[in-house]
Amino acid sequence: AQSVAQPEDQVNVAEGNPLTVKCTYSVSGNPYLFWYVQYPNRGLQFLLKYITGDNLVKGSYGFEAEFNKSQTSFHLKKPSALVSDSALYFCAAGQTGANNLFFGTGTRLTVIP
Amino acid sequence: DAGITQSPRHKVTETGTPVTLRCHQTENHRYMYWYRQDPGHGLRLIHYSYGVKDTDKGEVSDGYSVSRSKTEDFLLTLESATSSQTSVYFCAIAVREGNTIYFGEGSWLTVV
Repeated sequence: AQSVAQPEDQVNVAEGNPLTVKCTYSVSGNPYLFWYVQYPNRGLQFLLKYITGDNLVKGSYGFEAEFNKSQTSFHLKKPSALVSDSALYFCAAGQTGANNLFFGTGTRLTVIP
Repeated sequence: DAGITQSPRHKVTETGTPVTLRCHQTENHRYMYWYRQDPGHGLRLIHYSYGVKDTDKGEVSDGYSVSRSKTEDFLLTLESATSSQTSVYFCAIAVREGNTIYFGEGSWLTVV
């Protein structure tokens, strides 16, 4: 069965420090991997995706994510956190040829001034 | 802006009544989706469509039906609303399979 796990419900980080939001996946075949961000009372906004190629993917707002096939992980990272990065982050995975994405349960990131 | 409009954005309804949520897109994308978001569950797929009159069930389809009579509109109907269907419902679109899914702003539904 396909699934996505975000092991941390909450991540707190000080402004200016690097941040990591963790994601592991279980997908048959070659995965498509995504990160989305959600601000209060809003829809999900696309941040970045991995389809194939370079394992380090760069996305919007200075975020990047590293695909690690052996660890089936796709962690979201940013070198220097901003207070405005505080939001709910979702990892999602899809399968080649499939029409759906499976989402993790979300990680709430709080950046402390 | 993915050109997705959801209506209504907020609704309170009574148990047992039918409810229809509408998703409208302006860019003629083939794939459209309905998800629900609940704390502790993330987003779960209810139904999706891959063309006019072509729909399929997702993982939480019980109690829901959909229709797509035009490319631009995808309707989600709760046939007889229950309190367990209190949720935030998101419509989404994709250009083609495997491509990025873009979300609407959500419809907050409360069943009392």
